[in-house]
Amino acid sequence: QVQMVQSGAEVKKPGASVKVSCKVSGYTLTALSIHWVRQAPGKGLEWVGGFDPEDGETVYTQRFQGRVTMTEDTSTDTAYMELSSLRSEDTAVYYCVTDRGDAFDFWGQGTMVIVSS
Amino acid sequence: DIQMTQSPSSLSASVGDRVTITCQASQDIGNFLNWYQQKPGKAPKLLIYDAANLDTGVPSRFSASGSGTDFTFIISSLQPEDVATYYCRQYKKRITFGQGTRLEIK
Repeated sequence: QVQMVQSGAEVKKPGASVKVSCKVSGYTLTALSIHWVRQAPGKGLEWVGGFDPEDGETVYTQRFQGRVTMTEDTSTDTAYMELSSLRSEDTAVYYCVTDRGDAFDFWGQGTMVIVSS
Repeated sequence: DIQMTQSPSSLSASVGDRVTITCQASQDIGNFLNWYQQKPGKAPKLLIYDAANLDTGVPSRFSASGSGTDFTFIISSLQPEDVATYYCRQYKKRITFGQGTRLEIK
């Protein structure tokens, strides 16, 4: 059973960056395809990006291109998502999730990121 | 980008009712569709993969069908624990979620 434990809540000022971590256990990170999904307060789910095994690279949804970077530290089985140039609209819960190919199956508990001056 | 139009956005039904939610893709996605259930304050839970397959451990009152652009999700007999928001997700090309359907008990 894969478990995903995310870092704690963050409060950032507009223009700053945030880096959220996702520690994987029960499986090695290299065997997983990790994605990130966010959910603004009271809103729906929005895919941010993730590893595409067919392309062999990380892909991002268009609206985050240039602002988001997803990385992995295989020595600690930890995935990271960094979002820069934060604005108030980036206030959301950010989830890491594994992609088994036909579904997102194991989810982290979510990390609340608040952007406020 | 593929757009997913989910309806209704909210609905209220009685315990034991049959509930239907639809999802329409802006282009042919074959059967590359999931359905998820999300309860308040929790991460989403996978219910359906490949448009019609029930994930392990999911109660049989949940079912889904469809292919191409039109998809349907059904709860055959609504239970109190089914109160949640339901999302479709396409994974044919990149990933897109529907807007969600908030389901409550009447």
